[in-house]
Amino acid sequence: EPEVTQTPSHQVTQMGQEVILRCVPISNHLYFYWYRQILGQKVEFLVSFYNNEISEKSEIFDDQFSVERPDGSNFTLKIRSTKLEDSAMYFCASSNRAPNSGANVLTFGAGSRLTVL
Amino acid sequence: RKEVEQDPGPFNVPEGATVAFNCTYSNSASQSFFWYRQDCRKEPKLLMSVYSSGNEDGRFTAQLNRASQYISLLIRDSKLSDSATYLCVVNAGGYNKLIFGAGTRLAVHP
Repeated sequence: EPEVTQTPSHQVTQMGQEVILRCVPISNHLYFYWYRQILGQKVEFLVSFYNNEISEKSEIFDDQFSVERPDGSNFTLKIRSTKLEDSAMYFCASSNRAPNSGANVLTFGAGSRLTVL
Repeated sequence: RKEVEQDPGPFNVPEGATVAFNCTYSNSASQSFFWYRQDCRKEPKLLMSVYSSGNEDGRFTAQLNRASQYISLLIRDSKLSDSATYLCVVNAGGYNKLIFGAGTRLAVHP
């Protein structure tokens, strides 16, 4: 079964450092997402990406965050200067259907756990 | 009002029990509805989509009431392996994102 792969599975970093989380979506998918989940809290939308540009972003996704699809396969999330409150599990997801199609099932990767010290 | 609201639980039920989860959503323009399942410290996985006419997949039945903006999930004959958090997920009508409820935790015991 096709899957979304994410690396690293766990990253520990110092406050203020830059972090890049990597994702390889399912190959024929066109819609890409990043979500995060702080421990014990709900899954929160960060950003959606289609046709090489951001289509939606949440208020969490401020200037410290950026996304890129540099080579047609990887989809990366960069946090420029990490804060303690960025500690969370970051999930990448992809879909082959438009979000208002009524069938835009997201397939999630296993997540990247970020710990900011 | 929260965009997607669920009873947090936990629901503690014996094997074989029937359990029902409820969910309400605030955006009347929402068009896609799902139940996802999340095991502890794992990624969310699709359990089933929810269609207007209601739909069933084995022991699982989902219902949608658009007028009330209400979604339900019924699990019959609970198994130990059903223990997980069940996430109600709704698309943010017209926007390219899915919104997750906080989830309802289910613990099935022998």
